[in-house]
Amino acid sequence: EPEVTQTPSHQVTQMGQEVILRCVPISNHLYFYWYRQILGQKVEFLVSFYNNEISEKSEIFDDQFSVERPDGSNFTLKIRSTKLEDSAMYFCASTGGWEQFFGPGTRLTVL
Amino acid sequence: EDQVTQSPEALRLQEGESSSLNCSYTVSGLRGLFWYRQDPGKGPEFLFTLYSAGEEKEKERLKATLTKKESFLHITAPKPEDSATYLCAVPSEDTGRRALTFGSGTRLQVQP
Repeated sequence: EPEVTQTPSHQVTQMGQEVILRCVPISNHLYFYWYRQILGQKVEFLVSFYNNEISEKSEIFDDQFSVERPDGSNFTLKIRSTKLEDSAMYFCASTGGWEQFFGPGTRLTVL
Repeated sequence: EDQVTQSPEALRLQEGESSSLNCSYTVSGLRGLFWYRQDPGKGPEFLFTLYSAGEEKEKERLKATLTKKESFLHITAPKPEDSATYLCAVPSEDTGRRALTFGSGTRLQVQP
């Protein structure tokens, strides 16, 4: 069964460093998303991507964040200068219709 | 303003003890309500989509139902492997927007 994959599973970084989180959505899906979940809190929407551009973004998704689909399979989230409060699980999701299928997540720890 | 509220926050059941989880929502033009299961440290796993009041979906020991204001996830004769956090989510009222708003979840523990 097709699934969304994410790498790395765990990323540890120093405050102020740049990180890139990677996702491979389900092939033939057209919409891609990033969500995050701070420990013990709700899953929160960050950004959606369709037709090679951002279609929606939340207030969390400020200038420190960017997304890219560098080739036909990968979808990346870049955080330019990480802050302590960026520590969270980051989930990629994709959909070909309405149901969004999530990847296993990347745990980002900012020290 | 919260669009999705789930209750209870936590539920402990004995194996075989059936129960229901609640998800209430405030969006007026519902374009779907989604149920997910989340295991610790993992991503949400899709369970069901419900689109209209009166609709029901079933999968093994789980049955999801929808009214105009809330959804229920009924768990019949649960097993320890059903232990997880169950999340519900709705998309924005705005047509064309697909971002999901999640509830806080119900943490279910089924004891043998």
